[in-house]
Amino acid sequence: QVQLQQWAAGLLKPSETLSVTCAVYGGYFSGYYWSWVRQPPGKGLEWIGDINHYGVTNYNPSLKSRVTISVDTSKKQFSLSLTSVTAADTAIYYCARALERGLLGQWGQGTLVTVSS
Amino acid sequence: DIQMTQSPSSLSASVGDRLTITCQASQDITKFLNWYQHKPGTAPKLLIYDTSKLDTGVPSRFSGSGSGTHFTFTINSLQPEDLATYYCQQYDNLPPTFGGGTKVEIK
Repeated sequence: QVQLQQWAAGLLKPSETLSVTCAVYGGYFSGYYWSWVRQPPGKGLEWIGDINHYGVTNYNPSLKSRVTISVDTSKKQFSLSLTSVTAADTAIYYCARALERGLLGQWGQGTLVTVSS
Repeated sequence: DIQMTQSPSSLSASVGDRLTITCQASQDITKFLNWYQHKPGTAPKLLIYDTSKLDTGVPSRFSGSGSGTHFTFTINSLQPEDLATYYCQQYDNLPPTFGGGTKVEIK
């Protein structure tokens, strides 16, 4: 039974860099797309991007200029970095495992990141 | 991006009722449509993938149908634990996109 546990700094100031990390426990690390999704308060879900165990990434064009997703296969962890954050980036950030790109089968517990001056 | 239009945005139903949610894609996504259940304070849960396939352990009162641009999600015999927001999501084209959600309340 795979479990995804994530953590992040919860409060950022505008222009800072958001960083969230997700650790994978149980199951294989290869053969999946390791994904990030966010949900701003009171709004719907937005796919941010993903990475496979080879390090090949895909990003949502709406965020591509500010997003980097990286992977550490030795630790079975993957991370999200979002630069130059604004209040609009305030959201619950979820990590997830996808068997096929976009088919999000298992999710982390979510981490609220707030951007405020 | 493919736009996913979900309706209704909210509904209230009684335990035992049958309810249906619809999802319309802005272009043909063939069968690549998923449904997620999201309860407050928890992670979203995949219920149905590829339009009509139930994920492991999902009760059979949940079902999905459709193809192309029009899809439906049904709960037969609503249960109290089904209180949640339900989202459709396409993954035929990048980026994967979600509908706006349907909040289901129990009368």
